[in-house]
Amino acid sequence: AQSVTQPDIHITVSEGASLELRCNYSYGATPYLFWYVQSPGQGLQLLLKYFSGDTLVQGIKGFEAEFKRSQSSFNLRKPSVHWSDAAEYFCAVSEKVFGNEKLTFGTGTRLTIIP
Amino acid sequence: GAGVSQTPSNKVTEKGKYVELRCDPISGHTALYWYRQSLGQGPEFLIYFQGTGAADDSGLPNDRFFAVRPEGSVSTLKIQRTERGDSAVYLCASSPMTGSDTQYFGPGTRLTVL
Repeated sequence: AQSVTQPDIHITVSEGASLELRCNYSYGATPYLFWYVQSPGQGLQLLLKYFSGDTLVQGIKGFEAEFKRSQSSFNLRKPSVHWSDAAEYFCAVSEKVFGNEKLTFGTGTRLTIIP
Repeated sequence: GAGVSQTPSNKVTEKGKYVELRCDPISGHTALYWYRQSLGQGPEFLIYFQGTGAADDSGLPNDRFFAVRPEGSVSTLKIQRTERGDSAVYLCASSPMTGSDTQYFGPGTRLTVL
């Protein structure tokens, strides 16, 4: 069965500093990979996704992620964080079963931004 | 346009009671998903609808949980004989069609079972 691991439960970075959130997946075939962000009281918002092609994908809000098949990783990066980036971040992999694309999520990484 | 909406936003009930949680997907979206998010965890898949039919209900934890989507739009998640362990945020997502790749999530319903 597929699975997603986010090894960092909580990360604190200074505003303006760079950010990298780790994600490792386990999946037999070529995965569909996603990063979602969840702010308090808000629904999950898609930041970016990888299906195929260029392994470096750009998303919204200045985020990017790189798919590395050899490391089974899909880490999220941002060169300079803003206070508004404080939120919970979830990595997810999509599984096609019975024709549907249900998502398997990691446990999330909570990002705190300090001034 | 309007996003996915869920009602109520909060529901407090007593152990043993019956609850219904409603999801209004984005208009025209044929695929609808329910997930459950327990405290400190990522969302976990419950059930998937394509149109009116439940194409995959493998994530429903037991037979106390049931979901319907009679007209292929609004969906209701029904929980019988609620237990304290059912307390969680229930998320709904919709997608334009199978293979569309992006699921759009609603804000969720926070269920608390006392």
